[in-house]
Amino acid sequence: DGGITQSPKYLFRKEGQNVTLSCEQNLNHDAMYWYRQDPGQGLRLIYYSQIVNDFQKGDIAEGYSVSREKKESFPLTVTSAQKNPTAFYLCACTRDGTDTQYFGPGTRLTVL
Amino acid sequence: DQQVKQNSPSLSVQEGRISILNCDYTNSMFDYFLWYKKYPAEGPTFLISISSIKDKNEDGRFTVFLNKSAKHLSLHIVPSQPGDSAVYFCAVSSGNTGKLIFGQGTTLQVKP
Repeated sequence: DGGITQSPKYLFRKEGQNVTLSCEQNLNHDAMYWYRQDPGQGLRLIYYSQIVNDFQKGDIAEGYSVSREKKESFPLTVTSAQKNPTAFYLCACTRDGTDTQYFGPGTRLTVL
Repeated sequence: DQQVKQNSPSLSVQEGRISILNCDYTNSMFDYFLWYKKYPAEGPTFLISISSIKDKNEDGRFTVFLNKSAKHLSLHIVPSQPGDSAVYFCAVSSGNTGKLIFGQGTTLQVKP
């Protein structure tokens, strides 16, 4: 049963702590993406990776970091440098970067 | 400056009638256009897409129209059903990075 998963569904952290959000896919897709959604706004691209061991900044990369050591996994770290980390985070993947993106269920991060 | 705009934050229609959601974009280089449907606290689900070489694409109750000269995209849902109530995002893509730029979303409510 192929798909893209994100865990956990809800995450709470204290201000000043780094936190890592998980994104895993078993679709054998090459490209993976991280977006952030805030209330009343569309999705904004944080980072993307078109191939293992390579990734590029999106429109709002400041305060975030990623790694792509395996094709299946693209974890996102929200660092203490991110000024407004509370948001809904979405991971997506696509077969070769030119196809339709398919999204995971999202992680709601709340920083207290 | 927003490259993709959905100027109507919300839309309410009666069950069985047509729903028309609109989207405008600024860059004529965009060549692939998509619509996603999203329920609260879930990831977006792909609905339908259209490439710039076409002006219409139909899939069941969903039809997307593209007017390149006006840089305008619309999604028609007919007949509308209560289960269609969700937030609808348009997204555009250009090049081969797979990067998508999203509109702010339109919340559709279909009343029984």
